[in-house]
Amino acid sequence: GDSVTQMEGPVTLSEEAFLTINCTYTATGYPSLFWYVQYPGEGLQLLLKATKADDKGSNKGFEATYRKETTSFHLEKGSVQVSDSAVYFCAPSGNTPLVFGKGTRLSVIA
Amino acid sequence: DTGVSQNPRHKITKRGQNVTFRCDPISEHNRLYWYRQTLGQGPEFLTYFQNEAQLEKSRLLSDRFSAERPKGSFSTLEIQRTEQGDSAMYLCASSFDAGRHNEQFFGPGTRLTVL
Repeated sequence: GDSVTQMEGPVTLSEEAFLTINCTYTATGYPSLFWYVQYPGEGLQLLLKATKADDKGSNKGFEATYRKETTSFHLEKGSVQVSDSAVYFCAPSGNTPLVFGKGTRLSVIA
Repeated sequence: DTGVSQNPRHKITKRGQNVTFRCDPISEHNRLYWYRQTLGQGPEFLTYFQNEAQLEKSRLLSDRFSAERPKGSFSTLEIQRTEQGDSAMYLCASSFDAGRHNEQFFGPGTRLTVL
């Protein structure tokens, strides 16, 4: 079945540092790819998405590029803020509903 | 309509009792999903509906779990004879899709604690 592997957390960064969270997936067919974010005490929110190969999703300074050849969708941000502290989930979806990994907890310190 | 709503937000029950959770999706959305999330894990898909039809239910965790969406609007998730291992956050999501599964909008969840 479909699956996703994210880098283990927690990730702790200083404000304005560069962020990369790795994500690789296996899926049948040609999935769409999503990053969801869960802020403390809140529900899951869509952060960004990409629906075909080489598409770049972007939102709030975060970016991820759909790499079909490496089955990856790594999340990046050039300069993180304290407010970015949250748990980030990579999830493919297409012929089957969203498949989530364990998530990566990010803590940004001032 | 401001999003997906779930009630109650918290439920504490004793082992062996039955519980029912409600989800109200975004009004124009035809698909409704249920997930379970335990501490430190990502959401785990349970079941989904397209309008009133339950199209996937093999992932429901046991025959103690059941879900309904009788009029294609709100949905209920029932757990019978609860066990301590059922303690988790139960998430509902909705989308407007035909065919492929795309972006889903999540509710705030119902946190279940089984004593």
